[in-house]
Amino acid sequence: NAGVTQTPKFQVLKTGQSMTLQCAQDMNHNSMYWYRQDPGMGLRLIYYSASEGTTDKGEVPNGYNVSRLNKREFSLRLESAAPSQTSVYFCASSVILGEKLFFGSGTQLSVL
Amino acid sequence: GQQLNQSPQSMFIQEGEDVSMNCTSSSIFNTWLWYKQDPGEGPVLLIALYKAGELTSNGRLTAQFGITRKDSFLNISASIPSDVGIYFCAGQLLGNDMRFGAGTRLTVKP
Repeated sequence: NAGVTQTPKFQVLKTGQSMTLQCAQDMNHNSMYWYRQDPGMGLRLIYYSASEGTTDKGEVPNGYNVSRLNKREFSLRLESAAPSQTSVYFCASSVILGEKLFFGSGTQLSVL
Repeated sequence: GQQLNQSPQSMFIQEGEDVSMNCTSSSIFNTWLWYKQDPGEGPVLLIALYKAGELTSNGRLTAQFGITRKDSFLNISASIPSDVGIYFCAGQLLGNDMRFGAGTRLTVKP
C-alpha cells in the first residue's frame, strides 16, 4: 500500500533555481494538497486541487505553481527558489475536499 | 483566516504519565482532527471528531470536540516511548481547507 508518494525526499537548491516536487496517490482520491511545514508554524496550505482539472490557492501560494496532471498526480513547482522557501513540503490527498487527509512522507528542501 | 492556538508547545514527561494538550480557535469548526507526526514522516490521523460535545477514544488516546465548537483536547494515558512525536490539531469548516495548529512536541523519558 503506497498511499501518497513524494519525490524527491531531499533537495538542495541555489537561489533562483527552479524545481518541481512530484506527488502521486494510489487511493483514487479526488482532492490533493500541498503544505509546507516550518518550525513553530504547523502546516500551511500552499495550493490544493478539489478534483481533477481544478486548482486553488491556499494560505501561502506566492512563489509556487501547481499542476494537477491527472487524478493521481499533483506537482508543485518553484520557478525561482528563494531562501524563504526552505521548508519541509508535504503532499496530501483526501477522498473529497475537506475529508481527512493522508500525507506523504515529505520533501526537505533547502535553498541556499 | 481561522487561527488555531495549540498548547503546550512542548512537553517532557516520564513514561507512564498521562498527557493532555488542547487547541482553541476564535472561529467555529465543523470537524476537529488530531494528527501525529513521527520524525521524518508525514502526519498520520489519530482521531476525527464530527459533532460538538463528541468524546472519542482510540486505544490510550481520548479526544473531545468542545461544546462551543471552538476548541478540542487530546489526552494520552499511560504514555510509552513510542508516543514521542509532534501532535497537531486541525480544524475544518465544511468544504474548506483544513487549518492546523503549530503542534505539540512530546518527549517521553523512559
